[in-house]
Amino acid sequence: EAQVTQNPRYLITVTGKKLTVTCSQNMNHEYMSWYRQDPGLGLRQIYYSMNVEVTDKGDVPEGYKVSRKEKRNFPLILESPSPNQTSLYFCASSFGQVNTEAFFGQGTRLTVV
Amino acid sequence: KQEVTQIPAALSVPEGENLVLNCSFTDSAIYNLQWFRQDPGKGLTSLLLIQSSQREQTSGRLNASLDKSSGRSTLYIAASQPGDSATYLCAVQFGGTASKLTFGTGTRLQVTL
Repeated sequence: EAQVTQNPRYLITVTGKKLTVTCSQNMNHEYMSWYRQDPGLGLRQIYYSMNVEVTDKGDVPEGYKVSRKEKRNFPLILESPSPNQTSLYFCASSFGQVNTEAFFGQGTRLTVV
Repeated sequence: KQEVTQIPAALSVPEGENLVLNCSFTDSAIYNLQWFRQDPGKGLTSLLLIQSSQREQTSGRLNASLDKSSGRSTLYIAASQPGDSATYLCAVQFGGTASKLTFGTGTRLQVTL
């Protein structure tokens, strides 16, 4: 089954404790990205990757890091989480950058206290 | 600024009604527009993708139209069912910012028995 898998689905952590949210896709997609969803703001892009070892900032990259060492994986790293990073996070992938269907993971609900 | 707006934020209809969800966007230079469905705990599911050169797309009881000149799209749902209850998101891939989808904040639909 074609899917994007995120882990964990739910996470409560404390300020400053480094964490990683994993994302993996099994569709051999080149393009992957991370979004966060906040009430009243919709989904906003954090980072994206056009292929292995090619990443770039989205609209809200501050406080986040990413890496793309393998085509299927695109982890999101919060080196020192803060309460304003409490949000619902989605990983997405698509075959190409434009005019191709985007597949989303089930989301990771992160709470930073 | 490139923005996507969805009105109303919430809608409740009785089962069996045909309904229309609206999406407007600020810039007519787009690659495509996509409609997604978001269910709690299940992430986003792509419903329809309309490329810039197309006027509409259909899938089952769903029909999406695109009018670039007026900056509008509609999602028509025929013979609504309780299983259609979800949040519907409109996302645009604007020209010049092809690296991301710009999302509206969604319309939460409830179909009642």
